[in-house]
Order: sequence, then C-alpha cells, then structure tokens
Amino acid sequence: EIVLTQSPGTLSLSPGERATLSCRASQSFSSGCLAWYQQKPGQAPRLLIYGASRRATGIPDRFSGSGSGTDFTLTITRLEPEDFAVYYCHQYDNSPPWTFGQGTTVEI
Amino acid sequence: EVQLVESGGGLIQPGGSLRLSCAVSGFIVSDKYMNWVRQAPGRGLEWVSIIYTGGSTDYADSVEGRFTISRDNSKNTVYLQMSRLRAEDTAVYYCARSAGYTTSRYADYWGQGTLVTVSS
Repeated sequence: EIVLTQSPGTLSLSPGERATLSCRASQSFSSGCLAWYQQKPGQAPRLLIYGASRRATGIPDRFSGSGSGTDFTLTITRLEPEDFAVYYCHQYDNSPPWTFGQGTTVEI
Repeated sequence: EVQLVESGGGLIQPGGSLRLSCAVSGFIVSDKYMNWVRQAPGRGLEWVSIIYTGGSTDYADSVEGRFTISRDNSKNTVYLQMSRLRAEDTAVYYCARSAGYTTSRYADYWGQGTLVTVSS
C-alpha cells in the first residue's frame, strides 16, 4: 500500500498570500496518478488537480500542481477567502487500495 | 448534469447490517468505475470499494469480507451492502465516480454523503 504523507498539517496564512502544500509518497508510482481535492466543512471533496498538474474543469488558475515520483506539490497563489479549507492528495495508480493523504488545513 | 445522491445511512448497532444506495443521473452507471469512500468524524478520507465497468470489484482490507458493492443498471444505482458493522465503520460514506480507466481513476464527481453511525 502506498502511504501518502502531507505536510504541513496546518498552514496559517492570510488572504493574498501563497500556499505551498506537500504530498510525499512512500514509494514511486505511475507518473501522474496523483490528484488533489479541496474539502470545506460539511461538504464533499471537490476535485482540483488530476494527473499531478492538470486543473479540473472550472478550477481557477491560482491553483497549480507539480511533482513526480514520490514528491508532489499543490500551490495556491494569492489565497482567496474561499480557499481556506482542507486539502487532500490522492494516488490512483494501477492497483488498489487507492490512498489519500491525511490532509492539510489551510486556515486564516 | 452529473449528480450522485446517497441514501440509506443511519444509526445501527454493532454487528448489524445496512445497505447504502447511490442514485446517479447524467451518465450511465455501468459506463464508469464507481467507488465508495468514507470519512470518519474529524478524520481524513479512506477509499472503501470500487465496482468496475465489467462488474468486478475490489475492497479495502478493512472491509473485505464484510462489505459488498453492487449496481443495478436498470435503476442506474450503486449499492454498498455493509454487514458485521463495527464502531470503527462510523463515517460519512461518499459515492464517487472515477473519471476514466487506468491512469484516470481519480474521482471527478462526488455525492453529498450519508452518515453511518455504529453504536449501541
């Protein structure tokens, strides 16, 4: 099972600042099989990034993903008030179980 | 418009059984891989099960042998039959659609979730 470790656990920032979230895998997996989701309280997760760097439909360009191998990053440039939420990375390589990171909370 | 609507959650005693439903619209359920993902209170996301387009299935080790995923193509609905429930199965259960196959199994649409509470 591929274990995903996200850091930091909590990121305290202000609107307009840049957020950099890390996701590290316990082993390398198929290139690009990494997604990022945003979750707000009481809501379902929302797909932001897939294929490590591709923005999902309707996602603002202030969200970007990068990385390969075992190290991946989600960057949010110029935080907007609605971006304060929990962010999860997710690997969906060939074989189950597909795993999620434990989440990073971006708070004001 | 793609929609996934879960139902069937509730309070159940340990050792009991429950069936969750995920009614979908905007696409044909048998054309997509469909997943169940759960989230314990205050915790992160945990993948639970998948049903592939051909009907085969996979499960997380934590639910293998106790949970069964299935679908009814005539109702465009996916199910999760849960038995021998334990307190640690308490969670919001989400139905999630995989966008595609092989390298596109990420979840592009999610339902709103249904809460299952296992307690005496």
